[in-house]
Amino acid sequence: AQKVTQAQTEISVVEKEDVTLDCVYETRDTTYYLFWYKQPPSGELVFLIRRNSFDEQNEISGRYSWNFQKSTSSFNFTITASQVVDSAVYFCALRESGYSTLTFGKGTMLLVSP
Amino acid sequence: DAGITQSPRYKITETGRQVTLMCHQTWSHSYMFWYRQDLGHGLRLIYYSAAADITDKGEVPDGYVVSRSKTENFPLTLESATRSQTSVYFCASSETVGGSYEQYFGPGTRLTVT
Repeated sequence: AQKVTQAQTEISVVEKEDVTLDCVYETRDTTYYLFWYKQPPSGELVFLIRRNSFDEQNEISGRYSWNFQKSTSSFNFTITASQVVDSAVYFCALRESGYSTLTFGKGTMLLVSP
Repeated sequence: DAGITQSPRYKITETGRQVTLMCHQTWSHSYMFWYRQDLGHGLRLIYYSAAADITDKGEVPDGYVVSRSKTENFPLTLESATRSQTSVYFCASSETVGGSYEQYFGPGTRLTVT
């Protein structure tokens, strides 16, 4: 069965600090897809990134970077030089091949203080 | 504007009443989903649909009914609302082209059952 664990329920940092959000997944499938979503205080869910299991290259987009490690079944998300606007709940999700649905983690609330 | 919309955005209803939440997408995505979001539970899938007239149960389908007569619409009906159905409901859609499957979410409907 597929499962996503986001062990950090809440993280508080001060602006300009770097912060890493952890995501650990479980799957028996060899082909799968991992996702990160952001839910700011306004409530909408925003898609951030998708990563395929056969592509372990790390991804960087501005201050955001993602570290995918199959050996530890992790897909961690790092925000460099955090800003107040990064305050949100972040969800990690998994989709196994052959399935159309996503399994979401419970989310990590990130609070960035000025 | 293109995208995915939900109506109403806020709804207060009484126990036992029937309520229908609407979801409309303009991308012609094949898949559509309904989730509920509750504190401590993250996002839980209620129902999903692979195409018009094809629907399937998710993790928490009891008390809900869906239909999909047109690709762009996916209404969710609470046949007899209960207080435990007080929640924020999100509709999402996704396409399977290229195996992406990332889901794009509507703005949500906050439902209160009194």
